[in-house]
Amino acid sequence: DIQMTQSPSTLSASVGDRVTITCRASQSINSWLAWYQQKPGKAPKLLIYKASSLESGVPSRFSGSGSGTEFTLTISSLQPDDFATYYCQQFKSYSTFGQGTKLEIK
Amino acid sequence: EVQLVQSGAEVKKPGESLKISCKGSGYSFTSYWIGWVRQMPGKGLEWMGIIYPGDSDTRYIPSFQGQVTISADKSISTAFLQWSSLKASDTAMYYCAKLPRTSGWYFTDYWGQGTLVTVSS
Repeated sequence: DIQMTQSPSTLSASVGDRVTITCRASQSINSWLAWYQQKPGKAPKLLIYKASSLESGVPSRFSGSGSGTEFTLTISSLQPDDFATYYCQQFKSYSTFGQGTKLEIK
Repeated sequence: EVQLVQSGAEVKKPGESLKISCKGSGYSFTSYWIGWVRQMPGKGLEWMGIIYPGDSDTRYIPSFQGQVTISADKSISTAFLQWSSLKASDTAMYYCAKLPRTSGWYFTDYWGQGTLVTVSS
């Protein structure tokens, strides 16, 4: 099984900050990685697919990078609507999610 | 417009059976995989399995194999997730989601609104 580990588990930041969330895979997944945003009581929303491709309609302040075993999601300038939980997902072998990163207002 | 509409919340007792549904519209239902994802209270997302409605090819995550059954009825553009004997630990929100590819595991581009299943005596 491929395990996905996100860090940090919780991140406190302010509006306007640049933030980065990391996702590490237990083995190489090439670029078979996606990022999602989930708000309380809502379904997840796709942000990034294939490690760095921005989903249509997602603001350009979101970006993804990485390949192999280490990946990052960056939000260039936090907006009030961005405070949520973020998950990475690998789809190289079966599919697994990271444990999530909760982005909180500082 | 692509939509996945799930059936409503359920409250069941341990040992009871249950089948929840996910109806797709706005796209070719038989051409894309649909998956089921569990989210236990206050916890993260877990894949359960996926099905290709075109031929009912089904793939389970090993930890869910034998615990649930995933099926689809292409005549009504609906996927299903069912349990034969519920446990309290099945209490969770269950999401269906569409995979934008015709072959196997992938990311998901559309999600249902979720079905809350509560199992309690």
